[in-house]
Amino acid sequence: EAGVAQSPRYKIIEKRQSVAFWCNPISGHATLYWYQQILGQGPKLLIQFQNNGVVDDSQLPKDRFSAERLKGVDSTLKIQPAKLEDSAVYLCASRRPGELQETQYFGPGTRLLVL
Amino acid sequence: DQQVKQNSPSLSVQEGRISILNCDYTNSMFDYFLWYKKYPAEGPTFLISISSIKDKNEDGRFTVFLNKSAKHLSLHIVPSQPGDSAVYFCAASESNSGYALNFGKGTSLLVTP
Repeated sequence: EAGVAQSPRYKIIEKRQSVAFWCNPISGHATLYWYQQILGQGPKLLIQFQNNGVVDDSQLPKDRFSAERLKGVDSTLKIQPAKLEDSAVYLCASRRPGELQETQYFGPGTRLLVL
Repeated sequence: DQQVKQNSPSLSVQEGRISILNCDYTNSMFDYFLWYKKYPAEGPTFLISISSIKDKNEDGRFTVFLNKSAKHLSLHIVPSQPGDSAVYFCAASESNSGYALNFGKGTSLLVTP
């Protein structure tokens, strides 16, 4: 089966600009996650969707970050306006219901550099 | 607040020997534990997991051990191969929180020929 797809792979912007990332999960995976990985750290959860509803967005900086999954399939994560500290890799992951439901599968990530 | 800790940033092992990667956690509500492997410029790849109702899970060369009383888990790779060189992340999740993952900072494993 096809894996989690993300685009773009790399993005360079200046601070105060806006940027959007796209994720298409594995077919049939109802749960979708966005993580932020800062250099030298482990990934940190930003937001979790179940179908098109938000399950947990407690760690999403809502003054500048937003995310949506309108049709319960693909998702977009937006940053507006970007700050220098937003430079990181943004990872999307999905999880299937049922057997091995605790396992998440990750996309390749989008590497963001804010100048 | 780091709930999952990997205290060894790096580990070097000779090919054919055993690699042991360690992980500690603080949240007693975690009930699933996973190891991911990550190569540069790629996303984490799932390696092996263990439920809190077990103390050992094996998959080929990879074995994960869980000691709930010590809040400690370890990943054993036997025998180690040069292709195992990567960053290994320990992650923990809670079924009641939708299995969102809490990651450690990772251990960089280098397997030398």
